[in-house]
Amino acid sequence: DQQVKQNSPSLSVQEGRISILNCDYTNSMFDYFLWYKKYPAEGPTFLISISSIKDKNEDGRFTVFLNKSAKHLSLHIVPSQPGDSAVYFCAASAPLRGAQKLVFGQGTRLTINP
Amino acid sequence: DTGVSQDPRHKITKRGQNVTFRCDPISEHNRLYWYRQTLGQGPEFLTYFQNEAQLEKSRLLSDRFSAERPKGSFSTLEIQRTEQGDSAMYLCASSPRLGAPGTEAFFGQGTRLTVV
Repeated sequence: DQQVKQNSPSLSVQEGRISILNCDYTNSMFDYFLWYKKYPAEGPTFLISISSIKDKNEDGRFTVFLNKSAKHLSLHIVPSQPGDSAVYFCAASAPLRGAQKLVFGQGTRLTINP
Repeated sequence: DTGVSQDPRHKITKRGQNVTFRCDPISEHNRLYWYRQTLGQGPEFLTYFQNEAQLEKSRLLSDRFSAERPKGSFSTLEIQRTEQGDSAMYLCASSPRLGAPGTEAFFGQGTRLTVV
């Protein structure tokens, strides 16, 4: 039962253009959504998050949009840079006995072409 | 380096052997998590500690798996009688008691297990 889905395994974008990564979820109880970035041989690192009560959060070149009615979120990166090439994971956060449990999507490999 | 530290980074073992991994969380974090990532998938939750208490275990954690966090500091994850299906990246993460959004988990670099 995949509660968080990233349907695009890979995405290739020209440097300077916009990268849009998509994510769908099924569980309405998730209260936060996060994006993690992962380079080879490293653990995931936090990029940006959004509360379920908001529809947009922006941090520099990164903007996350949440459409609760469609259970869909997206990450926009503009302008895209070569250093953005990595695997991006969408994750949903659910309460877990005083902490938060993360449920991850399968990831999207983003390649930024010079 | 004050991040989450995992040891070893890589482990190759023969099927049927036991393996143990270690995780040292960020020092002031009292919450510690283990996740497992297989090829082409995102990390999957395995278990969670608050201080030394193991509060949650995923059904993915079969009885061959055991995790401990003595004294609420470092944690170990042991896999007994390893199987080829155990081959994966094992990720440890920690989080503070009261954190802002985005502090849900700080991940280590992972231990890549290959069972041959």
